Parts: sequence; C-alpha cells; structure tokens
Amino acid sequence: DTGVSQDPRHKITKRGQNVTFRCDPISEHNRLYWYRQTLGQGPEFLTYFQNEAQLEKSRLLSDRFSAERPKGSFSTLEIQRTEQGDSAMYLCASSLAGTNEKLFFGSGTQLSVL
Amino acid sequence: DAKTTQPTSMDCAEGRAANLPCNHSTISGNEYVYWYRQIHSQGPQYIIHGLKNNETNEMASLIITEDRKSSTLILPHATLRDTAVYYCIVRGATSGTYKYIFGTGTRLKVLA
Repeated sequence: DTGVSQDPRHKITKRGQNVTFRCDPISEHNRLYWYRQTLGQGPEFLTYFQNEAQLEKSRLLSDRFSAERPKGSFSTLEIQRTEQGDSAMYLCASSLAGTNEKLFFGSGTQLSVL
Repeated sequence: DAKTTQPTSMDCAEGRAANLPCNHSTISGNEYVYWYRQIHSQGPQYIIHGLKNNETNEMASLIITEDRKSSTLILPHATLRDTAVYYCIVRGATSGTYKYIFGTGTRLKVLA
C-alpha cells in the first residue's frame, strides 16, 4: 500500500498562468475526491469521481477549474488563468465505495499564485 | 454547509482522556458519523465512523447518542502527537451524494 501521492508538493506561479496537479490514488480505490483548503479552514469539496465518471462538482468551482480521471486511475486538476484567490492547498483523497468507506488523503499540493 | 457543529478549540492534559463533542441534530436515518483529524501540514486522517452503535478501534471510541443528534469522540489516553484539528462529518453511504463536507473542526491541544 503506497498511499495516495500528489505531484507536485509545491507550485509557485504567476497570475494568469495555467497549472495542473496530478493525483495517484491507492490502486484498488474506485472513488477519487479533490478538496481545497485555505489557512484556518477545513477542506472544501471541489469534485469527485467514481471510476472515470465525474459524479459531482461543487457549485463554487468556477469554469476555470477542470478535473479528469481518464482511465479511472490517476486524476488531474487543472486551473486556467490562475488568480491570487486560488492560492491554497489542493488535497486529493481516494476510497473504496461501500458502507465502510474511508477516505485516504495525500499530502496535498500547495499552490501560491503571485 | 457542514451539517455538524463542534467547539472551536479544546485543551487536554497528556495521559488523560480527550472527549470531543459534535452536534448533528439534522442527521438522517441513513447517514453515518465520521471523524477525521488533521495534523499540521498533512492531509486529514481517518479515525473512526459509526451509524447507530458505539464503535471502538485502536485509535479511539465513538459514542453516538440514542437519538443520534450528537456524538463524542474519545481518545482514551491523549499524547502530544494527538494535537491536531478534529473534524466531525455526517455523510450518507448508500444513496445520493457521497461527498464529505468538512466544517472548521475542533483544534485539540494536548498539554504536557
């Protein structure tokens, strides 16, 4: 069990640039979640997948954000035309669907938009 | 919005039991109570979850009231490494949305 891995751990970018983050879930997990967290706040739900299908997307997520999980394995989260307000920790979690579902989180990608 | 309310912060002496309360008065019959914790600069970590009955594992115990409107997470012998933010979450598991909605949690500080 190698856990959930996220890449990169840190990303610094200039306002207006596009960024892409990658998440590799635990191999047998069929659900994958993306969250965003700012200082002093709990993780904020962005979107989640079951296998390759994106089943729910937060209404707070602007159309600059897009996520994919092309083969039901790894996932990418892209932010286009970044803004300073996008600065946050982006967390990925995976799970095996069922009544005993437990989320396993990665260490996150810290994004700083200058 | 989170469906739970928790105290903002709590202190606990090392070696003593830490009892973290959570109110979830609008919980539905098929919704589970989950607890996660987040140690500074790490992703949240699963602790325990339950539906109706009290639950215990190697990390903690979960006590759910009979009316299911509140619960308490118990760390039986708190250590300094238990200093973290603890999140109580209510979530359905069999139908509808499966997302976990985190609130702002309880910041537990274990004192030496």
